[in-house]
Formats: sequence, structure tokens, C-alpha cells
Amino acid sequence: AAGVIQSPRHLIKEKRETATLKCYPIPRHDTVYWYQQGPGQDPQFLISFYEKMQSDKGSIPDRFSAQQFSDYHSELNMSSLELGDSALYFCASSLAFQSYEQYFGPGTRLTVT
Amino acid sequence: KNQVEQSPQSLIILEGKNCTLQCNYTVSPFSNLRWYKQDTGRGPVSLTIMTFSENTKSNGRYTATLDADTKQSSLHITASQLSDSASYICVVSGGYSTLTFGKGTMLLVSP
Repeated sequence: AAGVIQSPRHLIKEKRETATLKCYPIPRHDTVYWYQQGPGQDPQFLISFYEKMQSDKGSIPDRFSAQQFSDYHSELNMSSLELGDSALYFCASSLAFQSYEQYFGPGTRLTVT
Repeated sequence: KNQVEQSPQSLIILEGKNCTLQCNYTVSPFSNLRWYKQDTGRGPVSLTIMTFSENTKSNGRYTATLDADTKQSSLHITASQLSDSASYICVVSGGYSTLTFGKGTMLLVSP
């Protein structure tokens, strides 16, 4: 069965650079969620989108932005990267009326040096 | 404030032994509770999901229980295998988009 696809799987950036993470949800899933998991931390909800509209917002920094496109894939844009942004970034997808049934992608490991 | 507390923080068991992980939550309103297995550096993989009315659910060697009155859940692993070594995360859903994650129990199964 198709799963959530994230790219790239690994990314190394320097401080103050920008990064773009991509997420391709499970086919027919219309809702996408982004999470950030720091080393040894539990995942923190950043933001979610339903039908290209932001549906919920968590602890996403102002330096980050995200959007969902017409094909339901989503991109997380991160600017002015800081060392503390180094983390595993997970994308999850679901059907809108089954938000509890989120399927996670493998994650993108971002390292900021 | 919604919280999910897991215990123990870490656990080492011998291959073939059983173990039980605990999860206590204070999430309101409550929608469902899920147990995930997360290998290091990988995405969480769902093991079980339980709603308010379900007391127990099994998935192979994994059996989860839920007591909605005391707001406690447990994950029992039977006949552990080396591949069970991972972090086990309890996640409680309190509504739309709201997932509260526990910090996980790190399980190490040794030969």
C-alpha cells in the first residue's frame, strides 16, 4: 500500500540558509500535518492543511511557512535556519473526517551546522 | 493542559520475555488513544488504536488495554524479539488535529 512520502530524507544546511521539505500524502488523503521532533523529544505539532487551506496551527515559528498544493502535496519552507532547527520533521496525512487516523511519513532529518 | 505520561522511560528485557508499558493521560475531550512504534530516525508506525468504548485490542504480539475511567492505557508485548527494540509512543487524540504525544518508552531487547 502507498505510504506518505517525504523528501529529501536527509538535509544539511548552514545557519541562516533556507530549506524546503516536501510531503506527498497517501492517495485520496486531503489533510496533511507537519511535526517537528527534536533529539530525544516527542513530536511537536507545527501546522496542518485541509484542501489547500491552513486548518490548524501549532508551535510553528514565524520563520517557517507551509502550503498545500492542488495535488494535496505540501511543502514546509524554513528560512533563517538556526542550530535549534536541527530535528526530524515528520509529515502525516489523513482524511479530513478521520484526523485521528494519521499516517506518518519516514521523516526528513534536517541538520543545521 | 493536555498531557500524556509514559512509564518506564526505558526498559531492558531479555529476548523471549514479556513486558508491559504504561500510559496515563489527561486529555480532554478524549477521542482515541494510539500506540506507535518508532525505530530510531524513522517515522512512527501505528500498532493499535482504541476509542472510548474499547477496553483491549491486539495486533499480533502487541496487546493494548484502555481504562477510560482512570485514563490509563498499557501496551503488553509478548515473547519479545530483538526487532522489538524501539521507542513506543502513546498518543492521545482530543479532537480535530489535536494529538498529544507521550515522550515514549525506549525498549531494548537483548539476546
